[in-house]
Amino acid sequence: GGIITQTPKFLIGQEGQKLTLKCQQNFNHDTMYWYRQDSGKGLRLIYYSITENDLQKGDLSEGYDASREKKSSFSLTVTSAQKNEMAVFLCASSRQSNYAEQFFGPGTRLTVL
Amino acid sequence: QQQVRQSPQSLTVWEGETAILNCSYENSAFDYFPWYQQFPGEGPALLISILSVSDKKEDGRFTIFFNKREKKLSLHIADSQPGDSATYFCAASVPSGSWQLIFGSGTQLTVMP
Repeated sequence: GGIITQTPKFLIGQEGQKLTLKCQQNFNHDTMYWYRQDSGKGLRLIYYSITENDLQKGDLSEGYDASREKKSSFSLTVTSAQKNEMAVFLCASSRQSNYAEQFFGPGTRLTVL
Repeated sequence: QQQVRQSPQSLTVWEGETAILNCSYENSAFDYFPWYQQFPGEGPALLISILSVSDKKEDGRFTIFFNKREKKLSLHIADSQPGDSATYFCAASVPSGSWQLIFGSGTQLTVMP
């Protein structure tokens, strides 16, 4: 077994601010993901990383940067927070294979004032 | 072409009833369909999944029925329990070897005691 830790749990920022969300996993998984979850809109992929040193854009990458510092950690940066933005950002990891289960962290809830 | 649609958006059933959650998709190349269960304040967790070569998958009280011709699938939860109250996401895999999942917008299930 393993666990995914996301920090912080709650993040409040100001409009235009650069904000960083962090994710750590101890599954020893190769692949990690960042999703954004808005109420009523499901999960949308922002960035993913198939292996350490790899970075791939998802459908929602505009306005975000990501960094895979090492195998166990994957960070997401909101480059310029938008006013009234409120969403939950979910980190996940999986083995590097087809049909692999994705394991999710508890999320970081972002509020922009 | 990449969308996954779920209905209804919310569903309320009585304890002991069978809850039926629907999912449809457009891309005929999708070949793997996991369902994730999410409780408030937690990340989604894999509940049950099916490959497109099968038309049915059972795991205890949870059954997926899959109709490849109509590009539809459904999750049946038999003998629903209050503890099943959660949001359920249907997802589909992108058959490109990138291990991406396309998620539907979810069905919020409430089981009344």
